[in-house]
Amino acid sequence: ETGVTQSPTHLIKTRGQQVTLRCSSQSGHNTVSWYQQALGQGPQFIFQYYREEENGRGNFPPRFSGLQFPNYSSELNVNALELDDSALYLCASSSGQGGYGYTFGSGTRLTVV
Amino acid sequence: GESVGLHLPTLSVQEGDNSIINCAYSNSASDYFIWYKQESGKGPQFIIDIRSNMDKRQGQRVTVLLNKTVKHLSLQIAATQPGDSAVYFCAGANSGGSNYKLTFGKGTLLTVNP
Repeated sequence: ETGVTQSPTHLIKTRGQQVTLRCSSQSGHNTVSWYQQALGQGPQFIFQYYREEENGRGNFPPRFSGLQFPNYSSELNVNALELDDSALYLCASSSGQGGYGYTFGSGTRLTVV
Repeated sequence: GESVGLHLPTLSVQEGDNSIINCAYSNSASDYFIWYKQESGKGPQFIIDIRSNMDKRQGQRVTVLLNKTVKHLSLQIAATQPGDSAVYFCAGANSGGSNYKLTFGKGTLLTVNP
């Protein structure tokens, strides 16, 4: 059984650029949630995808968008990057429509300069 | 230049001691709670969960206590080991919602001294 894998592990972008982060869910999981974790803070919910549809969104602007693919992998896209977007982006997969049996990936560390 | 550092609550214990990590929550609608452990460079790892119809749940070396009256959770780790050193988060959820969003607390940095 494979866990949740995220790529890339680290990324440096310039303010105003766009970024795409990728996540492969754990085998058997069909729900993916994305969280943003700023340094020294707890993770904050960005959004969740179930069966390729958005299934809930946190308090993040529209420039944060996502996709889920038929194989349940997912992408997080952020447009017009701002310095405050610098954070660890965590992907978590689970089974069913949501469900709290999250398995988290190790995250992508995004630095915006 | 500006310096940025961690401002987490911290707890330092000796190896073999028991640790108690506390968490307060504000959302009365939360009815499900999870404790996570996060080691440096890794994602959060599930430790133990508890539903609001319980006030105590035990796992291997860990116990979670829930006091709904004062909206307080605690995680007790027995015989703390150096491998327990990490940041610990509590997270809450409203299982009656349409999705399974978790709301995380700020976290506590546990350091175990050998």
